[in-house]
Amino acid sequence: DTGVSQDPRHKITKRGQNVTFRCDPISEHNRLYWYRQTLGQGPEFLTYFQNEAQLEKSRLLSDRFSAERPKGSFSTLEIQRTEQGDSAMYLCASRSQGSYEQYFGPGTRLTVT
Amino acid sequence: AQKVTQAQTEISVVEKEDVTLDCVYETRDTTYYLFWYKQPPSGELVFLIRRNSFDEQNEISGRYSWNFQKSTSSFNFTITASQVVDSAVYFCALSDPNFNKFYFGSGTKLNVKP
Repeated sequence: DTGVSQDPRHKITKRGQNVTFRCDPISEHNRLYWYRQTLGQGPEFLTYFQNEAQLEKSRLLSDRFSAERPKGSFSTLEIQRTEQGDSAMYLCASRSQGSYEQYFGPGTRLTVT
Repeated sequence: AQKVTQAQTEISVVEKEDVTLDCVYETRDTTYYLFWYKQPPSGELVFLIRRNSFDEQNEISGRYSWNFQKSTSSFNFTITASQVVDSAVYFCALSDPNFNKFYFGSGTKLNVKP
């Protein structure tokens, strides 16, 4: 068990470009979560999946953001037409059904120039 | 609304001092869970403790202890005899009863100097 992994770890992009991040949860964890963390703040909930179903989305998740988990394993988070305000650390976490503990990945740090 | 407040932005102590990190929460749920996480410079959040709303017993784990007081909506975290390796950002979090939505405070950065 290698833990939650995220790719890439860092991404620098120009405003207006699209970016996609990947999260690989711990195997057999059926719940997967995305958070955004800006400098000096705690993580903010964005969305979560139970298997392949996206069950809840935060109001923070504008129309430019989309997340998928097509086979109930890895997940992708895409941001279209990036803005400077999207610069943040994007964290992924997973947990198994019946467990309370979310295991966090190392995050993807996005910088929009 | 669900909210977690960590009023201490940054604390600096000298090694071996005791330090308490404050956490105050707001929730309308009668069943809820409280957590503390540690975020070292590497960035990965590390789970420290969970406490449910019906269990107000204080807990001690080695140098770490937690004080949950429902009457004041507080869940404070004390590190006894701090060490340099304790330097990190500590987050308090509140969870809904199904552990699906976590609300994090803004974190307290702890600097432990040798």
